[in-house]
Amino acid sequence: KNEVEQSPQNLTAQEGEFITINCSYSVGISALHWLQQHPGGGIVSLFMLSSGKKKHGRLIATINIQEKHSSLHITASHPRDSAVYICVLGGGSNYKLTFGKGTLLTVNP
Amino acid sequence: DGGITQSPKYLFRKEGQNVTLSCEQNLNHDAMYWYRQDPGQGLRLIYYSQIVNDFQKGDIAEGYSVSREKKESFPLTVTSAQKNPTAFYLCASSITLWGEQYFGPGTRLTVT
Repeated sequence: KNEVEQSPQNLTAQEGEFITINCSYSVGISALHWLQQHPGGGIVSLFMLSSGKKKHGRLIATINIQEKHSSLHITASHPRDSAVYICVLGGGSNYKLTFGKGTLLTVNP
Repeated sequence: DGGITQSPKYLFRKEGQNVTLSCEQNLNHDAMYWYRQDPGQGLRLIYYSQIVNDFQKGDIAEGYSVSREKKESFPLTVTSAQKNPTAFYLCASSITLWGEQYFGPGTRLTVT
């Protein structure tokens, strides 16, 4: 069983829709990261969180440590949000990061 | 502007040749990493370095080598021993080991 599972694998939305991408994991972590990878390949770190909720513009990330689950929400989605979103588990300074396979989001105008 | 640069963006080599991918950062980060990405797969760790003159093998180090002679630089050599070298290679850095990662733009290597 993979330590980290993302769902859905692929998501197509219309511009303006509210988007939710889920990440479930099975191991103890100290932090969880959300990354965005654009079609050209470049990766940007969106959030690093260890509890609760963080918001940046139209992006919101939440984490429930007890349920081992995190969600990434995008409000008022836009075609420029089209990218692969990757969930990454962090175990602390002595543990390597564990990368999810990513969710491909396509937002149509 | 602070950031990570990788060069070149696209690289083509013949089978049997060694090739070195460049990674430079001016973020003053101690830790640096090399990842490989194949279609449909998550990022896989090749090598990482916590500090200058120190580096450790990641999950898929066979056929690769690195050096960390300067804080700013962490070049990756793909040797002829790497069986399937064609892939997208990403370099990253962080302030501390396994902290929030800052990624370079990547190098797409094609070996024929």
